[in-house]
Amino acid sequence: DAGITQSPRHKVTETGTPVTLRCHQTENHRYMYWYRQDPGHGLRLIHYSYGVKDTDKGEVSDGYSVSRSKTEDFLLTLESATSSQTSVYFCATGEWTYNEQFFGPGTRLTVL
Amino acid sequence: EDKVVQSPLSLVVHEGDTVTLNCSYEVTNFRSLLWYKQEKKAPTFLFMLTSSGIEKKSGRLSSILDKKELFSILNITATQTGDSAVYLCAVGGNNNDMRFGAGTRLTVKP
Repeated sequence: DAGITQSPRHKVTETGTPVTLRCHQTENHRYMYWYRQDPGHGLRLIHYSYGVKDTDKGEVSDGYSVSRSKTEDFLLTLESATSSQTSVYFCATGEWTYNEQFFGPGTRLTVL
Repeated sequence: EDKVVQSPLSLVVHEGDTVTLNCSYEVTNFRSLLWYKQEKKAPTFLFMLTSSGIEKKSGRLSSILDKKELFSILNITATQTGDSAVYLCAVGGNNNDMRFGAGTRLTVKP
């Protein structure tokens, strides 16, 4: 398995506060992804990165921003959290686009 | 708009049964279709298919892709309770991303 860690693993926060989730990989994979998973929706892509400082929007990017200053780290920021952003967030990495992705353990975020 | 539709959404079977899970897609510039298994944690990779009509097989699981009719099936034979999970289908298309279906929740009863 790819070495992918996410922090924190659980977080409860209040509406309007900023939140940053971190994904760290040890596999030197070029591609990194942030997904959210909600009942009935499967996994939906928020943002992805195809290299250091190279990022792009996914299907549900509104309200989220990302940064990748090193190959191994990909940060997801909710500038002002809302209750609709309560979800489980997964980070994933991959060597090639359109190929197998390796997933981190997930972060459960609750916005009250 | 790209979309991936899985059916059924949920399925309950007994050990020893054979199940077929479906994934249909509409994606611009199809590149690949992947199947994942998700238990109470992160999804784990099962298969990747890129060519039509070529079956991928791993033990009791197998999968095939039909690029003309835009669908794939995942078969599980002689099901076991350990096969209980959500099975996710994902399709790679025009962008550097994967579009996931909502998943099929499979429950295998003893």
